Amino acid sequence: GQSLEQPSEVTAVEGAIVQINCTYQTSGFYGLSWYQQHDGGAPTFLSYNALDGLEETGRFSSFLSRSDSYGYLLLQELQMKDSASYFCAGASRAGKSTFGDGTTLTVKP
Amino acid sequence: DAGVTQSPTHLIKTRGQHVTLRCSPISGHKSVSWYQQVLGQGPQFIFQYYEKEERGRGNFPDRFSARQFPNYSSELNVNALLLGDSALYLCASSPDREIYGYTFGSGTRLTVV
Repeated sequence: GQSLEQPSEVTAVEGAIVQINCTYQTSGFYGLSWYQQHDGGAPTFLSYNALDGLEETGRFSSFLSRSDSYGYLLLQELQMKDSASYFCAGASRAGKSTFGDGTTLTVKP
Repeated sequence: DAGVTQSPTHLIKTRGQHVTLRCSPISGHKSVSWYQQVLGQGPQFIFQYYEKEERGRGNFPDRFSARQFPNYSSELNVNALLLGDSALYLCASSPDREIYGYTFGSGTRLTVV
């Protein structure tokens, strides 16, 4: 099976850069996804890394190192609306994604 | 275009009862997955269905079952409800047998009393 660990909480100020780390132990690992979830809302897909390296999508970037079983989500130019929970998820066969327990990001003015 | 729709949005059931949750995927999406999210935790995989066949099953007891219909909508059934089944049940759809990039619905909040 898979297990993923990420920090439970991160706090940053508006306009800053924040990095949310994710380490994983896996079998049958295909890649790492990131999702954002606001309170009471649906998780929203942010990015996916199948290969080592950095993927950039606007203010958000995601990185994967398979050799280190490690990835991170980088959020730049933080805005108040970025306050949410962020989940890393390991993708494996048969459409099963194993999620971490999430990191609550609080953006302060 | 409508996103992933789930019904009902909220539900209160008594221990021992049965519940059916419904999901309509995005038009054209053939794959539906079900997840359980307990407060403060990440979603846990329950089932994936593709083209009306079960393609994956998580570590949930046999009280949990699901099916997918010819129009690709899906139902999740839970029998003999326990207090611990109280959670947000999320449905996710994808066009094919993708392993990432799912579109989630807003979920059904189930409370078992």
